[in-house]
Amino acid sequence: AQSVSQHNHHVILSEAASLELGCNYSYGGTVNLFWYVQYPGQHLQLLLKYFSGDPLVKGIKGFEAEFIKSKFSFNLRKPSVQWSDTAEYFCAVNEGSSNTGKLIFGQGTTLQVKP
Amino acid sequence: EAQVTQNPRYLITVTGKKLTVTCSQNMNHEYMSWYRQDPGLGLRQIYYSMNVEVTDKGDVPEGYKVSRKEKRNFPLILESPSPNQTSLYFCASRLSSYYGYTFGSGTRLTVV
Repeated sequence: AQSVSQHNHHVILSEAASLELGCNYSYGGTVNLFWYVQYPGQHLQLLLKYFSGDPLVKGIKGFEAEFIKSKFSFNLRKPSVQWSDTAEYFCAVNEGSSNTGKLIFGQGTTLQVKP
Repeated sequence: EAQVTQNPRYLITVTGKKLTVTCSQNMNHEYMSWYRQDPGLGLRQIYYSMNVEVTDKGDVPEGYKVSRKEKRNFPLILESPSPNQTSLYFCASRLSSYYGYTFGSGTRLTVV
């Protein structure tokens, strides 16, 4: 069965620090990969997605992620975080070779940015 | 405005009393899904639907039912709610597996 693992459960950074959140998945075939953000008290919003092509994808709000197939990873990065980036971040994956409604989420990483 | 609308936003109920959480989307999406969110566990998929009358179980379907009689609606039914179903529930829809799900605002359910 597919699974998604986010190694960092809680990250605390100061403003302007660089961010990298880890995401690993367990599925040997073609995958579609997503990062979502959930601001306090709100629903999930899509930050970025990867399904083919350039493994470095850029999303909204200055976020980017790199797909490394050999490492089964899809880490999220931001060069300089802001206080407003305080939120919970979720990585998600689904099988890419067929149309499926299934989308598996990781446990989430809570990011706290200190002003 | 393109959106997923779920109701109610908050619900407190008693064990065993049947309830339905409604979900509707106005984007003509084929796929719809229900998730529950619990602290430390992330989001877990309950059921999903790939078209009208086509539904499938996610990772945690026990105690839940769904139906997809129309493309825009995907209600979640708890026939006999129990306290372990106390959670935050999200409905979501998407065009295909190459697109992310668009999520509703959530329903916070408490079963006492």
